Amino acid sequence: SYELTQPPSVSVSPGQTARITCSGDALPKRYPYWYQQKSGQAPVLVIYEDSKRPSGIPERFSGSSSGTMATLTISGAQVEDEADYYCYSTDNSGNLWVFGGGTKLTVL
Amino acid sequence: QVQLVQSGAEVKKPGASVKVSCKASGYTFTSYYIHWVRQAPGQGLEWMGIIKPSGGSTGYAQKFQGRVTMTRDTSTSTVYMDLSSLRSEDTAVYYCARSLELNRNSGVDVWGQGTTVTVSS
Repeated sequence: SYELTQPPSVSVSPGQTARITCSGDALPKRYPYWYQQKSGQAPVLVIYEDSKRPSGIPERFSGSSSGTMATLTISGAQVEDEADYYCYSTDNSGNLWVFGGGTKLTVL
Repeated sequence: QVQLVQSGAEVKKPGASVKVSCKASGYTFTSYYIHWVRQAPGQGLEWMGIIKPSGGSTGYAQKFQGRVTMTRDTSTSTVYMDLSSLRSEDTAVYYCARSLELNRNSGVDVWGQGTTVTVSS
């Protein structure tokens, strides 16, 4: 089965840059999608197709990909960015979707 | 506005089945895929499967093969997720989510509010 690997936690001080990685063998062929989930809420899309940002998402959120790794970058992280972040993508066949294990971002 | 509204919370006994509905509004129902995702208490997100409302074709995660059935009713713009042989490990919040475009390889942007399913004797 296919897996996407994320670090369990990332911690930064307010105003610093947070980087959350996601690695998977199919990422050179398949777009990653990034979701922010705050406690008790449904996930929110923050980056799609590597680096596109939906309307309403602050410019400090950006995405990039290189080879088998995708990165979500939050430039100048704010306290309100504290949340769990998940990458989401398909395997090489495009038939199966999978989430990364999630990364808890702490900003303090 | 684009919206997915899910059915209410359920409490089921082990061995029973549950059927969760997801009613779409604000867009052309048959123009986007619907994904089903669940989240057990304190755990991460888990993809369960996908349905194409225009033809009803489906794809399921291997873990749920044989236990899950996803269907749709185009007359009411509603998709359904039926999970059988429930066990305590199926206690979770179940979400439906809409794809960004009519492409099986497109991720999701709009989520339902979630349906809590509790499996307990």
